[in-house]
Amino acid sequence: DAGVTQSPTHLIKTRGQQVTLRCSPKSGHDTVSWYQQALGQGPQFIFQYYEEEERQRGNFPDRFSGHQFPNYSSELNVNALLLGDSALYLCASSLFVPSGLNEKLFFGSGTQLSVL
Amino acid sequence: SQKIEQNSEALNIQEGKTATLTCNYTNYSPAYLQWYRQDPGRGPVFLLLIRENEKEKRKERLKVTFDTTLKQSLFHITASQPADSATYLCALPAGKSTFGDGTTLTVKP
Repeated sequence: DAGVTQSPTHLIKTRGQQVTLRCSPKSGHDTVSWYQQALGQGPQFIFQYYEEEERQRGNFPDRFSGHQFPNYSSELNVNALLLGDSALYLCASSLFVPSGLNEKLFFGSGTQLSVL
Repeated sequence: SQKIEQNSEALNIQEGKTATLTCNYTNYSPAYLQWYRQDPGRGPVFLLLIRENEKEKRKERLKVTFDTTLKQSLFHITASQPADSATYLCALPAGKSTFGDGTTLTVKP
């Protein structure tokens, strides 16, 4: 049973470029959440997708957008990259809970994005 | 908005001792609190969940307490081993799973 898989593992971009990160959730999970983790900090919630719709969003600008596909996989897109976007981007999958309170998140190993 | 703080950035202990990590939160009354372990370059891994009506939860060498009056959770690792060296994160289930910045534990042989 495959866990959460993310691709690519590492990525180097320059300022102003656009990037797409991909995530496949754990088998049986229908909800995908994306987090940004800067060095030395905890994961910061970006947004959550369920039934191909954005359900919740954290305090991130519109440059951050996402998509969920019918097979529950998801993409995170970041436009007009800034140096400050350099971070580990984590995808977490879970089963949808109407209250939004996820009791247990399963994380992928992340994509390390470096913006030069 | 809710805020979560883990008191120590780093904790160094000797093998065999008990490690105690602290997590404090404000502006929130969570139904439960979670603890995760994160190794360098990897995503967090779920360890334990403790509910508001539970004072203590155990799993093997791990023990978590939850004091809703103090708004604090303590995470203990007994008989610590070098393999326990990692960053430990606490998280509030505030719909958006708010994480603390973690405490990096180093267990020395």
